[in-house]
Amino acid sequence: EDQVTQSPEALRLQEGESSSLNCSYTVSGLRGLFWYRQDPGKGPEFLFTLYSAGEEKEKERLKATLTKKESFLHITAPKPEDSATYLCAGGTSYGKLTFGQGTILTVHP
Amino acid sequence: NAGVTQTPKFRVLKTGQSMTLLCAQDMNHEYMYWYRQDPGMGLRLIHYSVGEGTTAKGEVPDGYNVSRLKKQNFLLGLESAAPSQTSVYFCASSYSSSGNTIYFGEGSWLTVV
Repeated sequence: EDQVTQSPEALRLQEGESSSLNCSYTVSGLRGLFWYRQDPGKGPEFLFTLYSAGEEKEKERLKATLTKKESFLHITAPKPEDSATYLCAGGTSYGKLTFGQGTILTVHP
Repeated sequence: NAGVTQTPKFRVLKTGQSMTLLCAQDMNHEYMYWYRQDPGMGLRLIHYSVGEGTTAKGEVPDGYNVSRLKKQNFLLGLESAAPSQTSVYFCASSYSSSGNTIYFGEGSWLTVV
């Protein structure tokens, strides 16, 4: 059975305090590892897709990395506007996604 | 969100009533999906479609039916709503290649009393 596990469940940071979110996955026939951001009352917003171990992608203060078993979302010098739930998902055939439960990030000013 | 529209946004149903959620996308995507999101459960795939006239079951299909009569629309139906179907429903779409970006709608909040 495909499984995606995210940790921690919740993370509180001070503005400027860098940290990382973890996504462990066991997904058969993985075609891509996806990261999304979700704000309260909104749909998931696409951030990154990683396709192979060793790959890295960056967007503003976010950097996603991928190994054969895990993905990390590194947040450098976060700002309050980075507060959101971050979702990790393994993608398989026909674009089907298996999601983790998400990490709720709160950045205090 | 890029071109995925869901209606209605909010709905309250009584147990046993039926309803249909409509998803429309204007990006000419082949693939479309319906997910549900519940606290502590993450998003789970209900049904999906790989093209006009096709549908397939996802992880949690029981109690739902879907139709894709037009390429741009994907309908999710509840024939006899149950309280366990209280959830937030998200539609998504993508181009016809695994690994492509998948775009989500804003969600439909459904409460069954």
